Amino acid sequence: KNQVEQSPQSLIILEGKNCTLQCNYTVSPFSNLRWYKQDTGRGPVSLTIMTFSENTKSNGRYTATLDADTKQSSLHITASQLSDSASYICVVSAGNTGFQKLVFGTGTRLLVSP
Amino acid sequence: KAGVTQTPRYLIKTRGQQVTLSCSPISGHRSVSWYQQTPGQGLQFLFEYFSETQRNKGNFPGRFSGRQFSNSRSEMNVSTLELGDSALYLCASSLGTGGVNTDTQYFGPGTRLTVL
Repeated sequence: KNQVEQSPQSLIILEGKNCTLQCNYTVSPFSNLRWYKQDTGRGPVSLTIMTFSENTKSNGRYTATLDADTKQSSLHITASQLSDSASYICVVSAGNTGFQKLVFGTGTRLLVSP
Repeated sequence: KAGVTQTPRYLIKTRGQQVTLSCSPISGHRSVSWYQQTPGQGLQFLFEYFSETQRNKGNFPGRFSGRQFSNSRSEMNVSTLELGDSALYLCASSLGTGGVNTDTQYFGPGTRLTVL
């Protein structure tokens, strides 16, 4: 069964600290993995997209890693800011051609405290 | 360049009614996807339209339908509303031409539907 599990469910960190969010998936055939940031009351915003051959991708203070062998991904946030408070959603695409089936994680809710 | 717009932003309906939501994609984008987001289920894919054709579909009942117009604008319709249909409905647009679908999707702000 295609599944995406994220951990932790929620996280509170102090401003300026680093944190890492986890995403484990059982999706086949794997096409790509995306991380989204969703602020409260707004639509998700894409942070990174990684295909099978990519194991690291950065977007400013956000760095995503992918281990296709263990089917794990992580999102590392460096020097957190109050504006990083949001839900972070991991989405895995399954399929080989055309529009793939999207499998969503339930997200990690991050609160950055001053 | 204007982002994805959705109307209305908020909607209150009663059980049994029907509702139509609208989505205008980013100029030049030909793919529009619809998602339902609830606290319990998270984001769930409804369907995707590309060049006025439904290209992919999630696991939702036939009460959920959509269409896309020649200008790429899309509408989603939910008939015979149920309490469980209360959710944030998100629309996302992309170029839609990615062979392995590495297109970046751009989401709108969503329409919050409350069914009483």
